[in-house]
Amino acid sequence: EDKVVQSPLSLVVHEGDTVTLNCSYEVTNFRSLLWYKQEKKAPTFLFMLTSSGIEKKSGRLSSILDKKELFSILNITATQTGDSAVYLCAVSLGNTPLVFGKGTRLSVIA
Amino acid sequence: GAGVSQSPSNKVTEKGKDVELRCDPISGHTALYWYRQSLGQGLEFLIYFQGNSAPDKSGLPSDRFSAERTGGSVSTLTIQRTQQEDSAVYLCASSRSTNEKLFFGSGTQLSVL
Repeated sequence: EDKVVQSPLSLVVHEGDTVTLNCSYEVTNFRSLLWYKQEKKAPTFLFMLTSSGIEKKSGRLSSILDKKELFSILNITATQTGDSAVYLCAVSLGNTPLVFGKGTRLSVIA
Repeated sequence: GAGVSQSPSNKVTEKGKDVELRCDPISGHTALYWYRQSLGQGLEFLIYFQGNSAPDKSGLPSDRFSAERTGGSVSTLTIQRTQQEDSAVYLCASSRSTNEKLFFGSGTQLSVL
């Protein structure tokens, strides 16, 4: 069975801290890994990763994929209260729907 | 449209009633997905439409759940004889094709009393 596991399940940090969120996967026919941010209801797209070792960066957020060890990390530097959300990791397997992890709930306190 | 549109945003119903949830995907997107998210849980895949192909219904939890997509655009998810365990946020997403990133709607919060 295809599986995506995120850790930690929840995390509380102070503004200015740096956080690392983890996503590991065991799937057949891996195509890509995606990160989404879910603040209220609609998840919004952050990154799509297909190649190992190439960091994708957007402002204070960055992500990298390791296809040998089957995991990805999402880093957020200098966290702000607006970063508080559930961060979802998903894996694309080809012509099938994305398989999502349970998410990491990040709370950033002032 | 500019984004994926879902209606209603909230639905409260009594146990045993049928409900219909609507999704209007981004224009030109051929792939449409329905996911369900229970409180504190991840996204559970329900059903997937790609172009004119037969839908992938492998995630539907029971035969009370069905969905259709008319004219390759708007989709309706129907839940018959609702149960309390059906209470969740139902999210619709679309993409230009399979393997492209998904764009999500704001969801329908379904509460079955």
